[in-house]
Amino acid sequence: DVKVTQSSRYLVKRTGEKVFLECVQDMDHENMFWYRQDPGLGLRLIYFSYDVKMKEKGDIPEGYSVSREKKERFSLILESASTNQTSMYLCASSSGTEKFFGPGTRLTVL
Amino acid sequence: SQKIEQNSEALNIQEGKTATLTCNYTNYSPAYLQWYRQDPGRGPVFLLLIRENEKEKRKERLKVTFDTTLKQSLFHITASQPADSATYLCALSSRGNQGGKLIFGQGTELSVKP
Repeated sequence: DVKVTQSSRYLVKRTGEKVFLECVQDMDHENMFWYRQDPGLGLRLIYFSYDVKMKEKGDIPEGYSVSREKKERFSLILESASTNQTSMYLCASSSGTEKFFGPGTRLTVL
Repeated sequence: SQKIEQNSEALNIQEGKTATLTCNYTNYSPAYLQWYRQDPGRGPVFLLLIRENEKEKRKERLKVTFDTTLKQSLFHITASQPADSATYLCALSSRGNQGGKLIFGQGTELSVKP
């Protein structure tokens, strides 16, 4: 079974803090994705990566950066957290069309 | 502008009936469309994929149709059960997308009552 794990299920941070969200997949997938999910807005793509050290902006990259130093790991970084980044963050991986999602990290920024 | 829209209101149906969920899109040329199921507090789980040259796809009690003229996909669950209660998301990938980038609709919550 494909497994996508995320470093935390729940996280509470303060405005201005630097936040790291980690995602690891164990199926040697080339592609990895970060989405955020908000009520009424669905899943919105923040960044994705189709190879190590490669990254592409999604639809809402502002305020975020990513890092992919190893194939299995894709990190999302909030350089200076703000309250409007309070959300559910979902990581996914794929080698073809089907996406495998992690359980999500619910981030609250106070 | 590009848009994917699903029924925003929750769908409530009786056990045993067929649930039909709608996904409409504008200003996309999708190579394929997918449906996912999401339970509260969990990540989405893949259910079905249908390609632009396919009209219909089935998997057990699930059926998906794809009409590129109407720019619409319908997702059916026949003989619905309370365990089918969840939020269902449609997602599409435009032709030429690199890395399998998917754009999601906002989801439709389905509640099946016993």
